[in-house]
Amino acid sequence: GAVVSQHPSWVICKSGTSVKIECRSLDFQATTMFWYRQFPKQSLMLMATSNEGSKATYEQGVEKDKFLINHASLTLSTLTVTSAHPEDSSFYICSATPGTMAYEQYFGPGTRLTVT
Amino acid sequence: AQSVSQHNHHVILSEAASLELGCNYSYGGTVNLFWYVQYPGQHLQLLLKYFSGDPLVKGIKGFEAEFIKSKFSFNLRKPSVQWSDTAEYFCAVKGNNNDMRFGAGTRLTVKP
Repeated sequence: GAVVSQHPSWVICKSGTSVKIECRSLDFQATTMFWYRQFPKQSLMLMATSNEGSKATYEQGVEKDKFLINHASLTLSTLTVTSAHPEDSSFYICSATPGTMAYEQYFGPGTRLTVT
Repeated sequence: AQSVSQHNHHVILSEAASLELGCNYSYGGTVNLFWYVQYPGQHLQLLLKYFSGDPLVKGIKGFEAEFIKSKFSFNLRKPSVQWSDTAEYFCAVKGNNNDMRFGAGTRLTVKP
């Protein structure tokens, strides 16, 4: 149980275009979802926290207009990287917390974004 | 907000050697503590977690960790490592604000 999926697993886009990444909780309802960014050989950096039906809370230094997060249902959150630039190339990972278990996060497999 | 530091950036061991990876955190309130492992090309997997109770926590694959509140530490241990333990290990802390902070990670290389 507690499986989180991400789609796509790998995406290449041209500079200036937008890319949408989906995060789904497959077998549980996720009241809260988190988006992380991981640079090569580095740790995960929390970008934002999203609660179903409300606006996401962004960490300091993360541009909310560039990284649009939508958590429209209890099983789906999306991250849209708008007007992507090469410096946005990274590994994006989402995690989800079941509504009845506020302590544990389940992580998706990640999405590798390459902006050319 | 809480912060996490992992002392070792890269650890190289031979098979059967004992392992201890350090993790210290900074947070004044009640914490939940986690160790995650990331095998090459794979996503994060939970090794073990501490919420409350016995400070010595046993996880999967023979790993254990000890929460020492007075030292703000949660070190990961394994008595005898295997080649398959080669991976990146992340310590993480979650405070009352429900978001999780990760350490920088420790890369473990186990030589066969």
